[in-house]
Amino acid sequence: AQKITQTQPGMFVQEKEAVTLDCTYDTSDQSYGLFWYKQPSSGEMIFLIYQGSYDEQNATEGRYSLNFQKARKSANLVISASQLGDSAMYFCAMREHVQGAQKLVFGQGTRLTINP
Amino acid sequence: EAQVTQNPRYLITVTGKKLTVTCSQNMNHEYMSWYRQDPGLGLRQIYYSMNVEVTDKGDVPEGYKVSRKEKRNFPLILESPSPNQTSLYFCASSSMIRQGAREKLFFGSGTQLSVL
Repeated sequence: AQKITQTQPGMFVQEKEAVTLDCTYDTSDQSYGLFWYKQPSSGEMIFLIYQGSYDEQNATEGRYSLNFQKARKSANLVISASQLGDSAMYFCAMREHVQGAQKLVFGQGTRLTINP
Repeated sequence: EAQVTQNPRYLITVTGKKLTVTCSQNMNHEYMSWYRQDPGLGLRQIYYSMNVEVTDKGDVPEGYKVSRKEKRNFPLILESPSPNQTSLYFCASSSMIRQGAREKLFFGSGTQLSVL
């Protein structure tokens, strides 16, 4: 079963608008972590934001915020005031603990295009 | 500068010709991992290592080997590459994860492999 689901293969947004990228997850762990990574066309993986399962407040990092709804098992990324440089592939990932080791499980990704 | 270094960046080879993709990190991280990225599938874990001489299979280990003789190096070996191993490969590392901790994975810049 898919553990991380990103239902939007592609999104097109006008520059300066806010954008929400969806992510739902499935785990039976009580302690887990959720990450978002950005992959521009150059290919590298850039860490954006982290949310721990026990964090009481939603994580924020500059223009990025994570809308964490634990009961719904969703961890949507919100980008405020989008910029042309935000055009990239975005991956949601969940860290789970398997037999004492960490494993980062990724979703399929959402390709975001910002239009001028 | 803290980094994960992968080489080569691009590699074209033929079926059956053994190859090695190198990965080195300078952060004294215990944990290292290999992922492959394919369109529509996100990143999938191939192998991981929790420390020197400790390695284990991820989700898609068939056709790959790894070794961890030194803490800083974690090479990925394809003994007999096949066309279905054409993919974008990432090496990643982090310090050992305690449950609830925030350590993120640091990624290398990726290796685009084409097997003809």
